[in-house]
Amino acid sequence: EIVLAQSPGTLSLSPGERATLSCSASQSLDSRYLAWYQQKPGQAPRLVIYSAFNRATGIPDRFSGSGSGTDFTLTISRLEPEDFAVYYCQRWGGSPRYSFGQGTKLEIK
Amino acid sequence: EVQLVESGGGLVKPGGSLRLSCAASGFTFSSYSMNWVRQAPGKGLEWVSSISSSSSYIYYADSVKGRFTISRDNAKNSLYLQMNSLRAEDTAVYYCARDGRWELLYAFDIWGQGTMVTVSS
Repeated sequence: EIVLAQSPGTLSLSPGERATLSCSASQSLDSRYLAWYQQKPGQAPRLVIYSAFNRATGIPDRFSGSGSGTDFTLTISRLEPEDFAVYYCQRWGGSPRYSFGQGTKLEIK
Repeated sequence: EVQLVESGGGLVKPGGSLRLSCAASGFTFSSYSMNWVRQAPGKGLEWVSSISSSSSYIYYADSVKGRFTISRDNAKNSLYLQMNSLRAEDTAVYYCARDGRWELLYAFDIWGQGTMVTVSS
């Protein structure tokens, strides 16, 4: 069973700063199957990145994904006010299927 | 517009049953695998169940196996989750989500707005 661990739990930054969110897998993961989601309070999750580095439709280019093996990163180059949210990584497929990390809360400093 | 709309949530007593529905529109529903994902109050996301496009492959999280049943009706563009023997720990917002694998997009690319299920006496 592959477990995803996200760090940090909470990240406090100011608009305009760079955000780096980490997702660590307990075993090596095919990068095709690593996704990132954004969730704002009271809203459904929204796909941000799929296959580790591909931006989903409508996602601005300040969002980027990278990584391979057991370590993956979501980077937001210059934070906008609308970027402050909770971010989840997800492993697609395998056993248990489609597991999520516990989330990183990106909050305004 | 591509859209998923859940319904059927509500308050139910422990041990009770509830059936959730998810109406799809704006895309060829019969081509896509579908999923249920839940989120307990103040907690993270938990995948619950998935069903392939033709219902040939069905999977459940261990936490709901034997109690929940996922199904779909492609003629009605609808996804369902039958929940039996409900427990307090099943209290959550339940989201339906489209699996993008048919487009080689290995993620949940479309989500509904969610429906709240509360299990309490």
